[in-house]
Amino acid sequence: DAGVIQSPRHEVTEMGQEVTLRCKPISGHDYLFWYRQTMMRGLELLIYFNNNVPIDDSGMPEDRFSAKMPNASFSNLKIQPSEPRDSAVYFCASSPLRGRGTGELFFGEGSRLTVL
Amino acid sequence: AQTVTQSQPEMSVQEAETVTLSCTYDTSENNYYLFWYKQPPSRQMILVIRQEAYKQQNATENRFSVNFQKAAKSFSLKISDSQLGDTAMYFCAFMNDQTGANNLFFGTGTRLTVIP
Repeated sequence: DAGVIQSPRHEVTEMGQEVTLRCKPISGHDYLFWYRQTMMRGLELLIYFNNNVPIDDSGMPEDRFSAKMPNASFSNLKIQPSEPRDSAVYFCASSPLRGRGTGELFFGEGSRLTVL
Repeated sequence: AQTVTQSQPEMSVQEAETVTLSCTYDTSENNYYLFWYKQPPSRQMILVIRQEAYKQQNATENRFSVNFQKAAKSFSLKISDSQLGDTAMYFCAFMNDQTGANNLFFGTGTRLTVIP
């Protein structure tokens, strides 16, 4: 398997623009997670899905952020409108159902977002 | 709420020497998992080692081992025979052992530099 695939790897945009980050989880994994990494706050869980259904979105910072998982092989995270404070590395991760795996999360390479 | 604390923002070690990274956590749960993840400059998070809280025996993976002290809520990582490729950020992480609770809580990380 190719692992978790994220795109784009780097994104530079201007304040006010819409940003879409994409993720393809590992085939067969039941959970998908979106994390944000910044120097100030470290790694924060934004939202996670189980079988395409959002389970916990309490980490989504505000209404400008939304995430969807229309099918088992794709998820996107949208920021509209973007602001400079959204600049961060956004990670997608997936994992199998507990009991079928070790509890390990498999991470993508991250999308570095810079909002000017 | 679970919190994970890594009190060493940066550490360095001579190549071939041994280094220990500290991690403490706070939880009221009895069953859980603990992880150490490595984030090299390439940015991707890679699992180093995993420990189930119900196991008394400390986990070991080649040059990596942990000292798990459940009563003290401590989970340190020992890297033996350090290699240049071990240079990275290391994150300690906690996961509840509950159905549907698959998300990881991360510490703030320790930046390890292996000196030739």
